[in-house]
Amino acid sequence: NAGVMQNPRHLVRRRGQEARLRCSPMKGHSHVYWYRQLPEEGLKFMVYLQKENIIDESGMPKERFSAEFPKEGPSILRIQQVVRGDSAAYFCASSSDMDSIGYGYTFGSGTRLTVV
Amino acid sequence: QQQVKQSPQSLIVQKGGISIINCAYENTAFDYFPWYQQFPGKGPALLIAIRPDVSEKKEGRFTISFNKSAKQFSLHIMDSQPGDSATYFCAASSYKAAGNKLTFGGGTRVLVKP
Repeated sequence: NAGVMQNPRHLVRRRGQEARLRCSPMKGHSHVYWYRQLPEEGLKFMVYLQKENIIDESGMPKERFSAEFPKEGPSILRIQQVVRGDSAAYFCASSSDMDSIGYGYTFGSGTRLTVV
Repeated sequence: QQQVKQSPQSLIVQKGGISIINCAYENTAFDYFPWYQQFPGKGPALLIAIRPDVSEKKEGRFTISFNKSAKQFSLHIMDSQPGDSATYFCAASSYKAAGNKLTFGGGTRVLVKP
């Protein structure tokens, strides 16, 4: 049973380009969370999704950022017109229905985005 | 207030010593307090967690102490080993909140010297 899979592991984009980060949850998990980690800082919640629904996007910047978790396929975090301040590690986590009531969830290894 | 404050930012301990990391929170609705361990280039991994109905939880060399009245909790790593060198994050969430969103502390970088 593979863990949470994120790709790419590293992504370099020029300012103004689009970044697409993918997350495949663990098998049987229907809850996906995205977090951002700036250098030397803790993780900050961005968005929580279930299949085809955004449940909580209170941590998402109002502009340029969007997320989806379609019925089929991975969850996608999309950043349009990237700026240098978007450079960070982006982590995805997933949980089952049981986990989501408070027993912790599993993180992927992250995508490290560098904007040049 | 959703903030979780963690200290110290970094810690150096000799092999066999005790590492102690402290966290404080403000939101009394928090009722789940996990600790995560993160190695460079990896995602955080759940280490141990506690709920406020107990004051202490121990798993192997790792112990969480919880003080509900002071709104503080701490991680103790007993008999620290070089392999414990990592960044440790405390976190908190609310059982009642939709989706179990975690609020993380700023992290503590622990270095265990052989």
